[in-house]
Amino acid sequence: EVQLVESGGGLVQPGRSLRLSCAASGFTFDDYVMHWVRQAPGKGLEWVSGISWNSDSIGYADSVKGRFTISRDNAKHSLYLQMNSLRPEDTAFYYCAKDVTSSGWKRFDYWGQGTLVTVSS
Amino acid sequence: QLVLTQSPSASASLGASVKLTCTLSSGHSSYAIAWHQQQPEKGPRYLMVLNSDGSHSKGDGIPDRFSGSSSGAERYLTISSLQSEDEADYYCQTWGTGIVVFGGGTKLTVL
Repeated sequence: EVQLVESGGGLVQPGRSLRLSCAASGFTFDDYVMHWVRQAPGKGLEWVSGISWNSDSIGYADSVKGRFTISRDNAKHSLYLQMNSLRPEDTAFYYCAKDVTSSGWKRFDYWGQGTLVTVSS
Repeated sequence: QLVLTQSPSASASLGASVKLTCTLSSGHSSYAIAWHQQQPEKGPRYLMVLNSDGSHSKGDGIPDRFSGSSSGAERYLTISSLQSEDEADYYCQTWGTGIVVFGGGTKLTVL
């Protein structure tokens, strides 16, 4: 059974940093692209970032480019999102999602349950 | 620009059928999309990939009540024999070189 479990969310002040983690199991982690997708309370889904199986290809939404960094550790079956210079508009549930491919971005066939990040003073 | 457009809301009666629509922006009518369901207070769940020719492939454990079809730039999700647990938000999603795009979502109410 595929499982994606996010952690690391919480309340943080504007301008500060936070690191999210996603623990993956039930599939060969290093065979697939992985993504972060977020959802502000009461709003729709927004793609944040994606990373290829070997970390050679990385992409970001314009809204987070230069502030967020995605990474992965295939030995630990884990995905990460380092979020710096956080803004109130970054407040959202952050979901880890598995792609169906090993390179390029396509569609997500498994999602985590999400972790809530609240940016507020 | 690659954009997906969905109606904000839809409703149908218990046991009936409903057809949700996702429209691709001009020039992108050949794109495949994916449909995702998000029940209240839960993470999204992948339903299916839907190609421009209407062929589709469902995710693990998705009931036969869920099906997809296509016409031009429109992609449809049909849910038959509606059940209470089908009340959820439904998002379409597509992809291009280096980008992933979501539609705004349709909130389905089961009456």
